Amino acid sequence: DIQLTQSPSTLSASVGDKVTITCRASQTIDSWLAWYQQKPGKAPKVLIHRASNLARGVPSRFSGSGSGTEFTLTISSLQPEDFATYYCQQYSTYWTFGQGTKVEIK
Amino acid sequence: QLQLQESGPGLVKPSETLSLTCTVSSGSISSDGYFWGWIRQPPGKGLEWIGHIYHTGNTYNNPSLKSRVTLSVDTSKNQFSLDLTSVTAADSAVYYCARTDSDAYYLDSWGQGMLVAVSS
Repeated sequence: DIQLTQSPSTLSASVGDKVTITCRASQTIDSWLAWYQQKPGKAPKVLIHRASNLARGVPSRFSGSGSGTEFTLTISSLQPEDFATYYCQQYSTYWTFGQGTKVEIK
Repeated sequence: QLQLQESGPGLVKPSETLSLTCTVSSGSISSDGYFWGWIRQPPGKGLEWIGHIYHTGNTYNNPSLKSRVTLSVDTSKNQFSLDLTSVTAADSAVYYCARTDSDAYYLDSWGQGMLVAVSS
């Protein structure tokens, strides 16, 4: 099984901060990685697919990069509505998710 | 806009079978280019992929759930279903149905989720 490890598990930040979340795969997954945002009591929402492609309707402050085994999600200027939990997901072999990164208010 | 809605019992007894249905509206489950899947999330924990099904009936299941999972599709009702046998308390979770783009393989539309508790 391909394991995904996100870091950090929790991140404290302020509005306007630049935020970076890392996702590492236990083996290469090329660019088969997506990022999701989940708010309490809601279903996840896709932000990025194929590692760096912004999903339809997602603000441009979100960006993704990486390939192989290391990937990042960057929020260029954190907005109040961005406080949430973020998950990476690989679909190279079956589907697995990272454990999540909670972005909380500093 | 595509909508997905989970339905089924919210409480299942240990050792019994959990059965959920996802109804798709404002879109056809027979559309080429999409898979239909199930993901679950235990309370306060992360996401776990359960499996996917194509409208032809081809399925792809999480190996960790072994043979406990059966996915099916009813194109006449625009629905797909999940059966999970021999449940335990560890299967208590919010269960989501979702659509996957088969070109880029990401989950692009989700149901609102349904909490299923396993308890006697």
